[in-house]
Amino acid sequence: GQNIDQPTEMTATEGAIVQINCTYQTSGFNGLFWYQQHAGEAPTFLSYNVLDGLEEKGRFSSFLSRSKGYSYLLLKELQMKDSASYLCAVAGGQLTFGSGTQLTVLP
Amino acid sequence: DTAVSQTPKYLVTQMGNDKSIKCEQNLGHDTMYWYKQDSKKFLKIMFSYNNKELIINETVPNRFSPKSPDKAHLNLHINSLELGDSAVYFCASSQLLRATRPSSHEQYFGPGTRLTVT
Repeated sequence: GQNIDQPTEMTATEGAIVQINCTYQTSGFNGLFWYQQHAGEAPTFLSYNVLDGLEEKGRFSSFLSRSKGYSYLLLKELQMKDSASYLCAVAGGQLTFGSGTQLTVLP
Repeated sequence: DTAVSQTPKYLVTQMGNDKSIKCEQNLGHDTMYWYKQDSKKFLKIMFSYNNKELIINETVPNRFSPKSPDKAHLNLHINSLELGDSAVYFCASSQLLRATRPSSHEQYFGPGTRLTVT
């Protein structure tokens, strides 16, 4: 089975950098995904990692260490619109989601 | 054009009723899913269909019955609704289930159906 852990809530200031961690234990691994979900909306894809290392995509980067069962999502130059829930998801036989980290960006 | 669409967006009904939620995707994907997101925002898979065939059926009461008339549609029928069924239900699609290419797992979500059972 899959077990995915991420912090429930985080708060950061506009313009700052925030790192959202995710740890997982899985019986199969085909990649790790990050999704963003604004309140009342559907999750939208942000990034995925299948090999160890950092994947950069504009203001967002995602890191993976398969040996440690660990990933993080790094958000730079935070904007108010980045306030949302960030879901870590592991692809094994299916995509299993963590419970999400609610990020609040303060002015 | 909407990639994954669901109807209705809101559904308010009484306990004991039977209701259906429809989902359609125009992405040409082979796999479709139903997720339930409860008040704690935990997104949990309920069902997955690959090319009209049921692949994943998590521990869901048999009051919930998915139906896939073709690979572009996956509907969810719920019998004898209970208070605990109140949640947001998301439909999603992806290219391939259990594919080795990670990008094939990227899922596209519909806008969600907020079900309230009173």
